[in-house]
This record gives sequence, C-alpha cells and structure tokens, in this order.
Amino acid sequence: EIVLTQSPGTLSLSPGERATLSCRASQSVSGNYLAWYQQKVGQAPRLLIYGASTRATGIPDRFSGSGSGTDFTLTISRLEPEDFAVYYCQQYGTSPEMYTFGQGTKLEIK
Amino acid sequence: EVQLLESGGGLVQPGGSLRLSCAASGFPFSIYTMNWVRQTPGRGPEWVSGIIGVTGSTHYTESVKGRFTISRDTSKNTLFLQMNSLRDEDTAVYYCTRDAISNNGIWEYFEYWGRGVLVTVSS
Repeated sequence: EIVLTQSPGTLSLSPGERATLSCRASQSVSGNYLAWYQQKVGQAPRLLIYGASTRATGIPDRFSGSGSGTDFTLTISRLEPEDFAVYYCQQYGTSPEMYTFGQGTKLEIK
Repeated sequence: EVQLLESGGGLVQPGGSLRLSCAASGFPFSIYTMNWVRQTPGRGPEWVSGIIGVTGSTHYTESVKGRFTISRDTSKNTLFLQMNSLRDEDTAVYYCTRDAISNNGIWEYFEYWGRGVLVTVSS
C-alpha cells in the first residue's frame, strides 16, 4: 500500500502570496494517477487537479499541479481569501485498494 | 448539473444497523462507478466501498467486509450502503461520490461529492 505524506502540516500565508504544497508517495505512483482536493470547513472535498497536472472543470488557473513518480506539488500562484482551506492529495489507479489520501495540509491566513 | 444527496445518517448503538441512501441526478447513473467515502474530523478521507457502473461489481475496504453492503437501484438513480454490526470506529461523515468516466478499467478520481451525512456509533 502506497502511503502519501503531505507537507507542511500547516502553511500560514497572506493573500496575494504563493503557496506550495507537497505530497510525497512511499512508492512511485503509476500513470501519475494523483489528484488534489480542496476542503473548506463543513463542506465536502472539491476536486482541483487530476492526472497530477490537469485542472478540473471550473478551477481557476492560479491552481497548478506538477510532479511525477513519488513527488508531487500543488501550487497556488496568488492566494485569494477563498483559497484558505485544507488540501488533500489522493492516489487512484487500477484497483480500489489504491484509493489513498494524504493527511492534508491546512492553508491558513497569516 | 450533477447532484448527489445523501440521507439516512444518525445515531446508532454499537452492533446496530443503518442504511444510507444517495439520490443521484444530472448524469446517466448506471454507467458511472459510485463510491462511499468516509471522513473523521482532522483526518483525510477514506474510501469505504464502490460499485462499478457497467458491471455492478462491488468492492469494499478490508475493515467493512462482511458488515457493509453497497447496492444501487438504477431505476431510481439511487445508491445505498447497508451498514450492519456497526462499531465505534465507523463513526464518520459518509460521502457519496461519483468517479470520472473510465475507459480503461482505472478506478478514477472522485469527480463529484455529495454534502455528506453523519453517522455516529455510540452507546
């Protein structure tokens, strides 16, 4: 089973700054089957990125994903007030047993 | 517009049963893989169970095998999760999710999520 480790646990930034969130896998993620989700308090997670770098429908272009193998990054180029939330990475793939999530990064206002 | 609306959550004693429902709309329900995903406060989501759209094949995470049953009614576009022999550790918010369409047998990312329903197992 692949374990996803996200860092940092908490990231304190100000609106307008750039955010860089990391997701490291314990083994290589085949096919770059890696997704990112945003979750606000009291809401369900929302899909941001799939295939490591493809933005989901309606996601602003300030969100970008990159990486391959074991190291993946979610970048938010210029933080807007509505971007402060918890972010999760997720692996998916050839079987449902591959569905694993990281523990999350909380992005908070500095 | 894709909509997923869960219902059926609540408080149940250990060893009890509960049936969750998810009413789906806005897409051809029978061809998409649907899942139940749960989350406890402060933790990442956890996949619980899924049903493949085309085949109806069902799958479960190890901790719920033999206790939970996923099913669907394609005539009513509704997904179900029958939960028996509930344990304290099953306490969580349960989400209904829809996969992205898969053309190559991949269990895809969760493209849509419902709002979730709280299940509390406690005496």
